[in-house]
Amino acid sequence: SAVISQKPSRDICQRGTSLTIQCQVDSQVTMMFWYRQQPGQSLTLIATANQGSEATYESGFVIDKFPISRPNLTFSTLTVSNMSPEDSSIYLCSVGPGHPRTTDTQYFGPGTRLTVL
Amino acid sequence: GQQVMQIPQYQHVQEGEDFTTYCNSSTTLSNIQWYKQRPGGHPVFLIQLVKSGEVKKQKRLTFQFGEAKKNSSLHITATQTTDVGTYFCAGQGDSNYQLIWGAGTKLIIKP
Repeated sequence: SAVISQKPSRDICQRGTSLTIQCQVDSQVTMMFWYRQQPGQSLTLIATANQGSEATYESGFVIDKFPISRPNLTFSTLTVSNMSPEDSSIYLCSVGPGHPRTTDTQYFGPGTRLTVL
Repeated sequence: GQQVMQIPQYQHVQEGEDFTTYCNSSTTLSNIQWYKQRPGGHPVFLIQLVKSGEVKKQKRLTFQFGEAKKNSSLHITATQTTDVGTYFCAGQGDSNYQLIWGAGTKLIIKP
């Protein structure tokens, strides 16, 4: 299994600012995913980040609001831009080993708890 | 689009009682996975079911995948306080690598 770290673990931010969340994996992985989980809710996929290509965003999420970088096979960042209180959530990165067309199981980072005032 | 419905949303049990959560997909799945999220934690992979009618056990946990590969269940026998958390199912379709997540079932042990 993969070991995943995320920074920061939590943050409190002011409305209108931006926060960049880092995700580091201890092994090279093809696919990395960014999720949002609001309190008491299930996981919502924001985007899939593949090294060397643009991230693929899910319906309701756009690059201008959630720019993603994937400079290599062990690292990715998600930026939450121009934040509002509605962005308060837990942001999770995950990796799925295996062939690019299959995720198999997913391993999650510890998450970043974001509060926007 | 594909959906995975999971029920119940919450289940309160006395310690020692059994717990079951159910998932139903709107389409046939290639596999279904189960994850556990402890309070304040992140989802942790429990198991993956791939074959039609498959049943797998992990100590007191029994996982089933339906014959049509559209539904699944997780049953915990004689719950313990360490079982507390939210259990999620996540299905993978035949043509898409993404996981479709259920809403989760929160297991609460009554004091």
